[in-house]
Amino acid sequence: AQKITQTQPGMFVQEKEAVTLDCTYDTSDPSYGLFWYKQPSSGEMIFLIYQGSYDQQNATEGRYSLNFQKARKSANLVISASQLGDSAMYFCAMRATDSWGKFQFGAGTQVVVTP
Amino acid sequence: GAGVSQSPRYKVAKRGQDVALRCDPISGHVSLFWYQQALGQGPEFLTYFQNEAQLDKSGLPSDRFFAERPEGSVSTLKIQRTQQEDSAVYLCASSPAVGISYEQYFGPGTRLTVT
Repeated sequence: AQKITQTQPGMFVQEKEAVTLDCTYDTSDPSYGLFWYKQPSSGEMIFLIYQGSYDQQNATEGRYSLNFQKARKSANLVISASQLGDSAMYFCAMRATDSWGKFQFGAGTQVVVTP
Repeated sequence: GAGVSQSPRYKVAKRGQDVALRCDPISGHVSLFWYQQALGQGPEFLTYFQNEAQLDKSGLPSDRFFAERPEGSVSTLKIQRTQQEDSAVYLCASSPAVGISYEQYFGPGTRLTVT
């Protein structure tokens, strides 16, 4: 069985500061993918970044980077230079080959960016 | 191009009524997923289609929930005899291929309120 854990229910961060959102996972499948999605108050799920279990380098997409520590089973999201528009719910999710690729989501972290 | 669309966006049903929620995936996308998202929670997997075949329905909460995708494109999630605990946002997602590295593209969701 797979499990995703996000231990931070909510965080405040000042504009222009960096913020790290924690995510740990558990799976027995050696092949899996880790995703981060953003969900603003409007409700749509917006894809941010992907990391494959066999990827040697940490993924980066603009201001988003993923700190992937495979041995510790963690996949933390780092948002650099936070903007007011980054205020949203952030979900970590995992797909594994033994489960038809369905997403297992964490409980989410609510981020509020303050001026 | 057009993204994933869902209709209706909002649905209010009296307890005991049947409802049908529609999902139009991105054209050509092979995989289609339904998720249920309770308020303040991460989405929970309901069911998965690969083309017209329903390959995983392990997440459907009861036999009151039924999903179909008869021609491998549009999908309908039907809930019979709705109960208050069915109140949630129902998200549909599609993916261009089978494989863990493919992101899922989410629709805006249908917010179901059962009174």
